[in-house]
Amino acid sequence: GENVEQHPSTLSVQEGDSAVIKCTYSDSASNYFPWYKQELGKRPQLIIDIRSNVGEKKDQRIAVTLNKTAKHFSLHITETQPEDSAVYFCAASNSGYALNFGKGTSLLVTP
Amino acid sequence: GAVVSQHPSRVICKSGTSVKIECRSLDFQATTMFWYRQFPKQSLMLMATSNEGSKATYEQGVEKDKFLINHASLTLSTLTVTSAHPEDSSFYICSAYGTTFNYEQYFGPGTRLTVT
Repeated sequence: GENVEQHPSTLSVQEGDSAVIKCTYSDSASNYFPWYKQELGKRPQLIIDIRSNVGEKKDQRIAVTLNKTAKHFSLHITETQPEDSAVYFCAASNSGYALNFGKGTSLLVTP
Repeated sequence: GAVVSQHPSRVICKSGTSVKIECRSLDFQATTMFWYRQFPKQSLMLMATSNEGSKATYEQGVEKDKFLINHASLTLSTLTVTSAHPEDSSFYICSAYGTTFNYEQYFGPGTRLTVT
């Protein structure tokens, strides 16, 4: 089955700096790669996703890149703000199938 | 956007009792629903995949007789934790997928189960 590795497990940045979280996956059949932000006790919130036919996608301060050959994808957050502090999960799936989650990255943005 | 509800949001039960959690898609037909479990400071782990009208598919290590899943309609799936024990205490989250969606799944708000 699919195995998703996520690094780092914790990340601390100064407000205004950039944050990068990286994930690798093992199943070449995976074609959907979402990123979720989860606050304590709440559901995961989709912040951005990318499909296997696209190499990069950007939405304001958030971007995701995908390298299908190397089977890795990354989340980039620019101009970080304290409200970006949360746990971020990457995931991989084949469309319509269950999501396989990485272990999560706890991001702390300090003012 | 698509909305998924989950009920109850929190439940406390005594060891040995059973608890039912409902997951509903409010504005779309969910052909597939997924049940995840999340322990504190850990990731979401898939427990089972539920397709409307058929038996659920359980992940390795998940006891199907303990976690009963019923997906009787295109808008409702239920998870029943039978003979609950303290180690079953966790955050249970469902997600739903519809045939009109190409990729995205929609999550319910989760149910915090505490077994005393």
